[in-house]
Amino acid sequence: SQTIHQWPATLVQPVGSPLSLECTVEGTSNPNLYWYRQAAGRGLQLLFYSVGIGQISSEVPQNLSASRPQDRQFILSSKKLLLSDSGFYLCAWSTWGQEQYFGPGTRLTVT
Amino acid sequence: QKEVEQNSGPLSVPEGAIASLNCTYSDRGSQSFFWYRQYSGKSPELIMFIYSNGDKEDGRFTAQLNKASQYVSLLIRDSQPSDSATYLCAVKDGVNDMRFGAGTRLTVKP
Repeated sequence: SQTIHQWPATLVQPVGSPLSLECTVEGTSNPNLYWYRQAAGRGLQLLFYSVGIGQISSEVPQNLSASRPQDRQFILSSKKLLLSDSGFYLCAWSTWGQEQYFGPGTRLTVT
Repeated sequence: QKEVEQNSGPLSVPEGAIASLNCTYSDRGSQSFFWYRQYSGKSPELIMFIYSNGDKEDGRFTAQLNKASQYVSLLIRDSQPSDSATYLCAVKDGVNDMRFGAGTRLTVKP
């Protein structure tokens, strides 16, 4: 069966510091991968998606970036965090473009 | 702007009752519809998806889709306290374009 991992689970970072969140998927090949952010009490906002290695699409302009160095690895990065980057970051995968399954998430607090 | 609208709630029902959660969407071209359950502090969990008009049942859950009215709902029969969570409606237009509502918070009271 498929499993999706995210780490770290929680993170507290100062403004201006860099960020690296990692997501890996097991049990499937060539998945579509997604990064979402959920602000407190808000819906999910799609940040990036990837249909293959090195293929990244961005949904919203921001100071975040994403990379997919391996088929089942998806990384979310920032060079300098802003207060507004705080939130719950969720990685998700899908196959054949249908239903998406979420990882456990990373709760980021920027202070 | 494509939108997915949900009543934020909270929706409160007694244990054993039917909980009815509603969602409307703006894009008539939407093709796939999903319901996720999200417990506080946890990530969303897929509970139902529906692609065709009508009803789809899975255990205590029934998803209903009416594309003409741009309306999708989730019924939870015999509600249990463990069903207390936020329910997210999601609508998909294409391969990678999934849009989420802000969610409805459901409380099932013993």
